[in-house]
Amino acid sequence: RKEVEQDPGPFNVPEGATVAFNCTYSNSASQSFFWYRQDCRKEPKLLMSVYSSGNEDGRFTAQLNRASQYISLLIRDSKLSDSATYLCVVNDYKYIFGTGTRLKVLA
Amino acid sequence: IAGITQAPTSQILAAGRRMTLRCTQDMRHNAMYWYRQDLGLGLRLIHYSNTAGTTGKGEVPDGYSVSRANTDDFPLTLASAVPSQTSVYFCASSPFAGNNEQFFGPGTRLTVL
Repeated sequence: RKEVEQDPGPFNVPEGATVAFNCTYSNSASQSFFWYRQDCRKEPKLLMSVYSSGNEDGRFTAQLNRASQYISLLIRDSKLSDSATYLCVVNDYKYIFGTGTRLKVLA
Repeated sequence: IAGITQAPTSQILAAGRRMTLRCTQDMRHNAMYWYRQDLGLGLRLIHYSNTAGTTGKGEVPDGYSVSRANTDDFPLTLASAVPSQTSVYFCASSPFAGNNEQFFGPGTRLTVL
């Protein structure tokens, strides 16, 4: 089993839709988790950290399920500008990246 | 300078040549990292440095070397480039090693022929 797994997509959704991505991780002792956004041929940028209690930032909600060892990212009211690749990161004192989930928001 | 810069932006290199990718940050971050990103494989850690004067090996260190003579600079050297080192290379930094957010440079696109 890979250390961090994501569905590569693409997820094609219409503007205004709600879309959710999951990311599973193998190390039950992992302590911190992040979602990064990467636009085509650009550097990854932090979207949000994932806290044990779940956290929300505007249209974005991140959740952690330790029992099932996955984190999720929910995007509400999708915008065209949300089109990007979303990278899941598990931090076991070093960053372990998922391969990313590609999102396309369609007009 | 604001954040992390990398140079060159892109490079085409003949196999067997030596190449140094440059990375500079002005945030006074202690920790710095080099990753490579290949299609379908995600970002993989090549080398890291928790603080100036120290370096460590990541997941894919073979064929690469680094140095950290000061806080700001973290160059990555390919001693004798091979085609399998064709990739996009990202430098990153964080305030400290451990559970901090990492900030990434714009990347260097390297092609080895």
